[in-house]
Amino acid sequence: KQEVTQIPAALSVPEGENLVLNCSFTDSAIYNLQWFRQDPGKGLTSLLLIQSSQREQTSGRLNASLDKSSGRSTLYIAASQPGDSATYLCAVPRAGSYQLTFGKGTKLSVIP
Amino acid sequence: DTEVTQTPKHLVMGMTNKKSLKCEQHMGHRAMYWYKQKAKKPPELMFVYSYEKLSINESVPSRFSPECPNSSLLNLHLHALQPEDSALYLCASSPYRGENEKLFFGSGTQLSVL
Repeated sequence: KQEVTQIPAALSVPEGENLVLNCSFTDSAIYNLQWFRQDPGKGLTSLLLIQSSQREQTSGRLNASLDKSSGRSTLYIAASQPGDSATYLCAVPRAGSYQLTFGKGTKLSVIP
Repeated sequence: DTEVTQTPKHLVMGMTNKKSLKCEQHMGHRAMYWYKQKAKKPPELMFVYSYEKLSINESVPSRFSPECPNSSLLNLHLHALQPEDSALYLCASSPYRGENEKLFFGSGTQLSVL
């Protein structure tokens, strides 16, 4: 059974700081890994999808890396802004399926 | 149009009521999903429709009844719910339910069962 863990559960940083969010998964036989952002009481927005054959993906100030062999992914946010405050979730497909297993998320607060 | 639209945004219902949640997308996606999310928890998959046919039912109680009238619409019919069913209900879509596809989520319906 695939298990996804995100550390830390919550993170508070001053504006402008670079930061890293961590995601680990137990079954390395995955097709891809997605990072999502969720604002309070809202739906999820897909930020980045890294295919199993890729090592990283970049979008603007966001960079996600994937190390399948060690079962880890990181989301790097450069020059953080208050608007980045949200919960960030990573998700991987279940073994033998395209259905996603989510981590519990990291709640990020960027202080002005 | 890259949106998934859910209505209503908020819903309060009694345990004897019948209500429906609606979801609509016009991106030509052929896979649509219902997720349930309790406070401070990750989303949990409920149902998957692929090409308007129910392909996954994650052992959801029969008081939740999904319906996919056409490729753009997805409904979730609610009947005789329990207070523990109070949650954020999220609809999502993806092009073909294949690998390496991003999911597009709606903003959700916040449901309270009294």
